[in-house]
Amino acid sequence: QVQLVQSGAEVKKPGSSVKVSCSASGGTFSTDTISWVRQAPGQGLEWMGRVIPMYGTTDYAQSFQGRVTIIADESTSTAYLELSSLTSEDTAVYYCAREARKTWGYLTLGPFFDIWGQGTMVTVSS
Amino acid sequence: DIVLTQSPGTLSLSPGERATLSCRASQSVSTTFLAWYQQKPGQAPRLLIYGASSRATGIPDRFRGVGSGTDFTLTISRLEPEDFAVYYCQQYATFGQGTKVEIK
Repeated sequence: QVQLVQSGAEVKKPGSSVKVSCSASGGTFSTDTISWVRQAPGQGLEWMGRVIPMYGTTDYAQSFQGRVTIIADESTSTAYLELSSLTSEDTAVYYCAREARKTWGYLTLGPFFDIWGQGTMVTVSS
Repeated sequence: DIVLTQSPGTLSLSPGERATLSCRASQSVSTTFLAWYQQKPGQAPRLLIYGASSRATGIPDRFRGVGSGTDFTLTISRLEPEDFAVYYCQQYATFGQGTKVEIK
């Protein structure tokens, strides 16, 4: 059973950076795609970006371009999200999630997020 | 970019009643890309439906997804106490804003 376990809560000052980890077990980390999704207090879900560990390729949401870096370490089956130039608007729960697809014959369903980490609360406050 | 609009914002129902949640896309979406999630307070989202109508592993059959084009619906046939939560639709990197199903 695939599990994603994230690092603990963080409190950061405005202007600083935060790095959150997501450790995978029980699956095929290298060939999976890991996305990061955040949720501000009382708000909805916002996709930030993804990484394919096998290739190291990344894709970022336009709204985070230049501020976000997602990397994956295959040797430890861990993905990382780094967000810089933090402001109070970055206060949120950050989730990692496995991006999956299902193939039925010629039809491919997805992508969708089938496994989620438990979330990491990041608070940005002076 | 495609925008997903969910309605209603809040649905107040009693256990045993039927819930009908709507997700409307700003332009036509392939059914293969549409998914639904359930989120309870303090928990991560849980995948319910993918490919617009396929239930994820372990999801009871009272959850049903239908739709095509720009209009998609999640129906919960008879609400159980554990079904009161927020529901999100998703297409690629876009999520709807959510529908809260609360106890009346």
